[in-house]
Amino acid sequence: DGGITQSPKYLFRKEGQNVTLSCEQNLNHDAMYWYRQDPGQGLRLIYYSQIVNDFQKGDIAEGYSVSREKKESFPLTVTSAQKNPTAFYLCASSPGGRSNQPQHFGDGTRLSIL
Amino acid sequence: GEDVEQSLFLSVREGDSSVINCTYTDSSSTYLYWYKQEPGAGLQLLTYIFSNMDMKQDQRLTVLLNKKDKHLSLRIADTQTGDSAIYFCAEAARRRRAGTALIFGKGTTLSVSS
Repeated sequence: DGGITQSPKYLFRKEGQNVTLSCEQNLNHDAMYWYRQDPGQGLRLIYYSQIVNDFQKGDIAEGYSVSREKKESFPLTVTSAQKNPTAFYLCASSPGGRSNQPQHFGDGTRLSIL
Repeated sequence: GEDVEQSLFLSVREGDSSVINCTYTDSSSTYLYWYKQEPGAGLQLLTYIFSNMDMKQDQRLTVLLNKKDKHLSLRIADTQTGDSAIYFCAEAARRRRAGTALIFGKGTTLSVSS
């Protein structure tokens, strides 16, 4: 079945460590997105990519980095510069372009600090 | 500015109707979405409505759009305990470059008692 796979489901980060969250989709979507969700908050956009080898900062990009070397993959790195990384991270994809087709979401990765 | 607002909590009895309300600010939004999130899971697309429509019905779900007041509502008929979840309203907001990203409300927690 087509879908979005995020891994791992749970991740723990030590002080000063970079960690990478994986997001893979087999929906043949051009656009991919990373959101952060904190308790009682909506989703805030970290980075998005409309096409391979191109990505844009969202509203809260500081302390994060991404790459888009393949259409199906959009990994997110949480760097040591992100001082408050504990959150639920959601990856999404959509057909992209100028269409407003809905975004489809993965099951999320919960990141905590050790 | 970009802002989507929702009430935070709604409590109903099983079998009653639930109405979740949302207001948005971007009058250029072309699509408005409702997503459902169960505990520890990603977001599941429930339904969406194009801005030139007033109403959309899909089984137990009815979406009403008042574009003049920028008000969106989701009605769930015959609410079941399995409908207990967080419901997010989202609008497609144009970014500076081509493509759109979603602006989410903070979510309405629906609690259904039997």
